[in-house]
This record gives sequence, structure tokens and C-alpha cells, in this order.
Amino acid sequence: DQQVKQNSPSLSVQEGRISILNCDYTNSMFDYFLWYKKYPAEGPTFLISISSIKDKNEDGRFTVFLNKSAKHLSLHIVPSQPGDSAVYFCAASAGRGSTLGRLYFGRGTQLTVWP
Amino acid sequence: DAGITQSPRHKVTETGTPVTLRCHQTENHRYMYWYRQDPGHGLRLIHYSYGVKDTDKGEVSDGYSVSRSKTEDFLLTLESATSSQTSVYFCAISELGLLGGYTFGSGTRLTVV
Repeated sequence: DQQVKQNSPSLSVQEGRISILNCDYTNSMFDYFLWYKKYPAEGPTFLISISSIKDKNEDGRFTVFLNKSAKHLSLHIVPSQPGDSAVYFCAASAGRGSTLGRLYFGRGTQLTVWP
Repeated sequence: DAGITQSPRHKVTETGTPVTLRCHQTENHRYMYWYRQDPGHGLRLIHYSYGVKDTDKGEVSDGYSVSRSKTEDFLLTLESATSSQTSVYFCAISELGLLGGYTFGSGTRLTVV
């Protein structure tokens, strides 16, 4: 059963606007969350992360928000650029000492940013 | 990229034949993982390793075996390839502490005909 869910397989946004990618999780033991970005024919690359002790983490145009009570996190990209077009994976981990830091991944959301 | 390479990058094989994919790292990371990526399924863990000769199953391990005889190499073997194993396979490495999480290889596209 999927412990990390990305319910939107695709998202289309105009250049310059905000992109919001959503992710839900079911395991209350998850305490570290990451977003990965994947271009075709390449491996996923780390984008941004957040610990459960925070509710927001920002890095340039990318901000991740965490709502622990709702078991929900979102990635905001502002402003969106055509180069942001990629598949975005949400991932979660249940603590650094457990399960070897294993990450559980969502199924991904294809973001398309059009001019 | 980032000291992790996968070989081969592409392979076509026939049903019933054995296939071995190789992951090689130069980062001296303790943990290594094999994932497969399929449309509609995202990234699914096949097997992982937490040290030399220490491996364990992931969520989709049936039909796959792994070996890790050296820190730098993690091999994934399909003992008898089936069409359902047509996929893109990614290797990843990590150390405890997460931070940036995993570093992924560029993938191996395997087609079983």
C-alpha cells in the first residue's frame, strides 16, 4: 500500500506563475521529507527537503510546506520556468536510525511549464 | 554524475535469459539501492544493501537477486528475465543523516522481448 501519495499525475502551468505540487503520506512515523526532480533519460536529483520540526523550508524559487496534522506537504515553485518541466517525486523517511534511512517515494507528478 | 555509474545504459534481452546490471560508486557510501521506475508506479524499491554482503529485500524483489562483494559495487541479477521486468532501473547511494537523501545513477533501460 502506498505510504506516500501524489494524487495528481500531471500539472500544467504557464511560465511566470506558481506551480504547486502536492503530496500526502499515511505513516505518522515519517519525520523527514524530500522532493526529487527527474528529467527524461536521467536519474532523479535532490531538490529540497524538510524536517518534521519545521513547517517551511525555502531555497530560491522552491519552497516546501509541511502540515503534520494533515499529513500533507506541498512544493511551491515561484516563478515557474520552462526548465522546471520534469517529473517531481515526493519522498519520506521514518527517522535516521530506522530502516536504514530508507526513502518511500510517491508515484510522481509531471510538471509542464508552457511559455 | 556524483560518483555513481550504471552499466549498461541500455539492454535488450530475450525472455528466460539471465541479466546482470551493475552499479558502481566512488563515494564510499555504505548504503546502495536498486529501484525500478514504471509508468503509474513511480519508484519502487527492489533490493538494498547496508554494507558488504549485507542485503535485504524491498517491495518488489520477486525475480531479482543482488550481490555486494565490495563497497563500490552492487549487482542486480534477473535470473530468468520476463517481459514484466521491462523497466528503467535506477541505482542509488546514501549515507545515514539523509540531508540530501539519495544520489541516483542515470539508469538502465532494460527491454525483455
